[in-house]
Parts: sequence; structure tokens; C-alpha cells
Amino acid sequence: ETGVTQTPRHLVMGMTNKKSLKCEQHLGHNAMYWYKQSAKKPLELMFVYNFKEQTENNSVPSRFSPECPNSSHLFLHLHTLQPEDSALYLCASSQEGAGNTIYFGEGSWLTVV
Amino acid sequence: TQLLEQSPQFLSIQEGENLTVYCNSSSVFSSLQWYRQEPGEGPVLLVTVVTGGEVKKLKRLTFQFGDARKDSSLHITAAQPGDTGLYLCGGNNRKLIWGLGTSLAVNP
Repeated sequence: ETGVTQTPRHLVMGMTNKKSLKCEQHLGHNAMYWYKQSAKKPLELMFVYNFKEQTENNSVPSRFSPECPNSSHLFLHLHTLQPEDSALYLCASSQEGAGNTIYFGEGSWLTVV
Repeated sequence: TQLLEQSPQFLSIQEGENLTVYCNSSSVFSSLQWYRQEPGEGPVLLVTVVTGGEVKKLKRLTFQFGDARKDSSLHITAAQPGDTGLYLCGGNNRKLIWGLGTSLAVNP
């Protein structure tokens, strides 16, 4: 059983829609991440939050907007996405200083039509 | 660009066979993690290795971290259909670097 839960698990949205992905971690960790997983590509780190502060943004287009209201919750707001943004979006958490072992959620499978 | 190569990319075997998959890099890692991922699901952590030369066992799975902490292997003994999935390794070198994974299919 994962300590990181993501909703929704599946999302289909049009290119003009606005939607959000939600992530909650129950592990008491202080860092949270958004990753994008596409076929035939390594995991792509999108955003990192430490103690609610964004510490990394890997040149992600502004149509993806993260929000971290506290150490346990992370959102990814989606707006005017493109079909090539269709992918599995993975949330993860870790405890800084603990070997950086990260724990993933079940993922949100996004399809942009 | 730091790379982490996993081999083989694809592997299809019969139940009961043994197999080894590899994770190689030119970078030194402070730790390395192995995950198994099923289609449409998130990766599930199997093990973290930290010390060069370290060997960890998880039932039929044996993980080894290279002496120089640049590579790792995963050996599965008597594979079962439930072992089917994508095996990912991630190396920690200030940032986490990921391989493409080894897609394993174990046929009954």
C-alpha cells in the first residue's frame, strides 16, 4: 500500500479545459515531486517542493502550474494542454537527508484530446 | 548529461527461469534505488542500496551495488508471472537520474 495517493487516476481533457491533479502523502515527508512519464523516455522531473517551497522547476511550460499549500499536499493545475502532454503524471515524496529514497503515488493517467 | 543505462530493454522468459538485469552509469552514486512498475501504476520501491559492494535480498530478488557505486544488478531466481513489470533504477547524485527501465514478461 502506497503512502502517496493521487487523484484522479484517469483524466481525459480537451485542449481548452482547466483541470487539476491532486496528491497527498501520509509519510511525514518534507519534499514532494511531480514527474512526467512518457513512453520510451526516462522519468522527467517537473517540479520539486521542499517544506512547501518550490526548489526546482525543470523548464516546464507555464500551462502546468504547481501548488503546494502544505508539506502533505501537492497539486498540478493544467490549462490549455497539448496532445503531446498526454502521459502518466507521478507524484512522489521523500524525506530530505534519508538517502533521497523517493516514494511514488499510483499516478494520474492524463489524455489530452 | 548524466545517463543511466539499463539492459536489456526487453526480456521475455518462461516461468521458473533465472534472469539478471543491469543498471550502468559513468557517474558515482551515493545511493541507488530499484522499483517495479506495472502498466498504468506508479513505481513501487523494491530496495535502496547505499554501500559499494552491498548485496540485498528480497525473497527471490538479489540486488547488488557495484564496488565503485556506478552500477547495480538485479537477479531474479525462478521467475514467476507476478514478477512481470517494468524494472526501473534511479541513481542519486545530488539529483535522481533514471534509466529507461527493463520491461520483463514472465510467461506461465
